[in-house]
Amino acid sequence: AQSVTQLDSQVPVFEEAPVELRCNYSSSVSVYLFWYVQYPNQGLQLLLKYLSGSTLVKGINGFEAEFNKSQTSFHLRKPSVHISDTAEYFCAVETSYDKVIFGPGTSLSVIP
Amino acid sequence: KAGVTQTPRYLIKTRGQQVTLSCSPISGHRSVSWYQQTPGQGLQFLFEYFSETQRNKGNFPGRFSGRQFSNSRSEMNVSTLELGDSALYLCASSLERAFGELFFGEGSRLTVL
Repeated sequence: AQSVTQLDSQVPVFEEAPVELRCNYSSSVSVYLFWYVQYPNQGLQLLLKYLSGSTLVKGINGFEAEFNKSQTSFHLRKPSVHISDTAEYFCAVETSYDKVIFGPGTSLSVIP
Repeated sequence: KAGVTQTPRYLIKTRGQQVTLSCSPISGHRSVSWYQQTPGQGLQFLFEYFSETQRNKGNFPGRFSGRQFSNSRSEMNVSTLELGDSALYLCASSLERAFGELFFGEGSRLTVL
């Protein structure tokens, strides 16, 4: 069965600094990978997705992620964060069985 | 177009009661998935419905059930509520399959006393 690991439960970062949120997955089959963001008291919103093709994926709000098959990773990056990026970020994986599994989440806190 | 709508947004129940939560997907979306979100367990997959059929199921006890209607609206039911069922229940809809983008509602926050 597939699983998703997000090693950092909390990441504090100063405003305008770069950030990387780590995600690793385990699966014996090909996967599709996603990053979602959840703002307080809201549902989740898709940031970006990797289905196939280029391993560098760009999403909304200036975020990007790189798929690394050999390391089974899909880390999320942003070169300069803003206060408004403070939120919970979830990495997710889907296999051909159509079930989307989420990681435990990383709480990003941007410090002014 | 309208997003995913979940009702009720907040509810309080006592142990032993049952609860029904409703989800109206985005128009044209035929897949509806349900997740339970808690601080300790994160987002856990409950089940997915597609064209009124349960297509996938997570590892939850039989007290948790769901259904989907012909208009793609979905309900989930939890019987014999336990304190541990307190959580945010999220519904997500997508086009023909969960492959791709899930569109989430704002959730139904259930508190069991």
